[in-house]
Amino acid sequence: QVQLVESGGGVVQPGSSLRLSCAASGFIFNTYTMHWVRQAAGKGLEWVALMSYDGSNTNYADSVKGRFTISRDNSKNTLYLQMNSLRTEDTAVYYCARGSITGLPTWGQGSPVTVSS
Amino acid sequence: DIVMTQSPDSLAVSLGERATINCKSSQSVLDTSKNRNSLSWYQQKAGQPPKLLIYWASTRESGVPDRFSGSGSGTDFTLTISSLQAEDVAVYFCQQYYTTPITFGQGTRLEIK
Repeated sequence: QVQLVESGGGVVQPGSSLRLSCAASGFIFNTYTMHWVRQAAGKGLEWVALMSYDGSNTNYADSVKGRFTISRDNSKNTLYLQMNSLRTEDTAVYYCARGSITGLPTWGQGSPVTVSS
Repeated sequence: DIVMTQSPDSLAVSLGERATINCKSSQSVLDTSKNRNSLSWYQQKAGQPPKLLIYWASTRESGVPDRFSGSGSGTDFTLTISSLQAEDVAVYFCQQYYTTPITFGQGTRLEIK
């Protein structure tokens, strides 16, 4: 079945870097746009970034532009989110999601990131 | 950016009764080339990722019970649960995917009265 599994989250200090991974299975990864969405504890959903199926197109939320980089390795069926210059306000659960013309039909379980001194 | 505003923020409904959640976008999300609204509804239960319920404003995702329905066009949308069940307790989000940045409503918490 279609599955997305995030990893790489943890507790880091402000100004640090972290790289999240999202392992995909059960579908043809290199035909789908992929997204990262985050959710702070008790808060709503915030879209973070997307990358097109072939990596040719990316788009970022203003809140992370210039600090976060989305990438993918289609040979490994894996999506990444490189997060630099982390701030306390980046603390959240980070979900990867498969995109489609219907929105975001498939989500991973999420990887928690805590930025704290 | 398109701002999505849901109402109410929270809602308590008796079992078996109708629940209605509204979502308003700051600009139209109607894709005129496809004549479809790029508007989805998600259900998020405690400790779980969001689950897609409705897309194109009114099409139920496969496996979603038919008590869930979506309506609306342009800038005003509604999610209706026709007969509330205990397992429907959750937070519900609308989302526009008409343009980037993709944006979500703030969420509506649905509880049992």
